[in-house]
Amino acid sequence: GAGVSQTPSNKVTEKGKYVELRCDPISGHTALYWYRQSLGQGPEFLIYFQGTGAADDSGLPNDRFFAVRPEGSVSTLKIQRTERGDSAVYLCASSLHVQETQYFGPGTRLLVL
Amino acid sequence: GQNIDQPTEMTATEGAIVQINCTYQTSGFNGLFWYQQHAGEAPTFLSYNVLDGLEEKGRFSSFLSRSKGYSYLLLKELQMKDSASYLCAVSKGSARQLTFGSGTQLTVLP
Repeated sequence: GAGVSQTPSNKVTEKGKYVELRCDPISGHTALYWYRQSLGQGPEFLIYFQGTGAADDSGLPNDRFFAVRPEGSVSTLKIQRTERGDSAVYLCASSLHVQETQYFGPGTRLLVL
Repeated sequence: GQNIDQPTEMTATEGAIVQINCTYQTSGFNGLFWYQQHAGEAPTFLSYNVLDGLEEKGRFSSFLSRSKGYSYLLLKELQMKDSASYLCAVSKGSARQLTFGSGTQLTVLP
């Protein structure tokens, strides 16, 4: 079946603006993760959903970041009042269950000018 | 906290064997993953170790020693397409979120 998909693939915005990044997990996968990857670094964990609820949001850097998964499938990562330091690749991953291997989407490349 | 260390860069020749090491310090260890990431692309799952020992999968093998906090990824019969970043990641906690190393950039030369 189809893999994890993310839209948009690229997003350029201005400092202070609001952005939404979307993730479509693999069909049937109950666990969904968001990570952020800066150039030359490994991905950093942001938030994890089991079903509709955010089971662990300990990786969110501050309260400008928020994510939802209202129907237990598609998830949206929302960033308010963007800052230049938010520029990174935002990766989404899903797994069949929480103990299973995580499969990553292609990422959204966010550039804040 | 947790530290995951792996070499920044490695170079090898087509057809050769290369070993990429990873050391980690963590609490609540659930397993260790290796991912391959080509430039501008998503990380792709390669292997998973939860018990000590060697896991073999075709040209790729991964080893884990939990007592030493050590893993390696072994790539045999290197091909040009193996040039990529190799990410070591530790799974921890009930959420099984992954903590990644910074990646090892492997360059395969003809």
